[in-house]
Amino acid sequence: QKEVEQDPGPLSVPEGAIVSLNCTYSNSAFQYFMWYRQYSRKGPELLMYTYSSGNKEDGRFTAQVDKSSKYISLFIRDSQPSDSATYLCAMGLITGNQFYFGTGTSLTVIP
Amino acid sequence: DAGVTQSPTHLIKTRGQHVTLRCSPISGHKSVSWYQQVLGQGPQFIFQYYEKEERGRGNFPDRFSARQFPNYSSELNVNALLLGDSALYLCASSLILQGRNYGYTFGSGTRLTVV
Repeated sequence: QKEVEQDPGPLSVPEGAIVSLNCTYSNSAFQYFMWYRQYSRKGPELLMYTYSSGNKEDGRFTAQVDKSSKYISLFIRDSQPSDSATYLCAMGLITGNQFYFGTGTSLTVIP
Repeated sequence: DAGVTQSPTHLIKTRGQHVTLRCSPISGHKSVSWYQQVLGQGPQFIFQYYEKEERGRGNFPDRFSARQFPNYSSELNVNALLLGDSALYLCASSLILQGRNYGYTFGSGTRLTVV
């Protein structure tokens, strides 16, 4: 069983839509959760991070963690064409030596 | 302030050859991690180096090795290249505070093609 599962999509939405991206994980010890955005042929860029269950908001982005279900989500409000990218969830122990990544969800926002 | 720099950006090698990839972390970051990203997949952990010592190794064969220099830059070496080593190799720089890693800043990667 993979440490992290993520639906690869692809996901295609019209501009202005609300986007929901999700990951599940198997290791209940994971305590640190991140979302990265990766444009084509570039390295991943850290979007958001959170430690605990609940919601964290940053502009149009909201990260949600449900540790009891081992499920995390990223919501994008008022999606823009510039949001078109691959979104990677990542997680692990904050004192660990590595983070575990999902396979990434490819998102296209159509103008 | 420079971000994470990796070189070269692209590389084509023949099966059986050796390759060296280089990374300079963000100034002040003492931890460098290497990840392999195969097309359509998420990054897979190869190594972490912190304060010039190996602190973690992923499930990769001994053909993969790395080191970190006194200035915290790092090299990833891969021997006896296989076609399956074709991937984007990402270097990640981290600020470790009190043993805690608050996330990575990635470079743009080195795209390695083995033919």
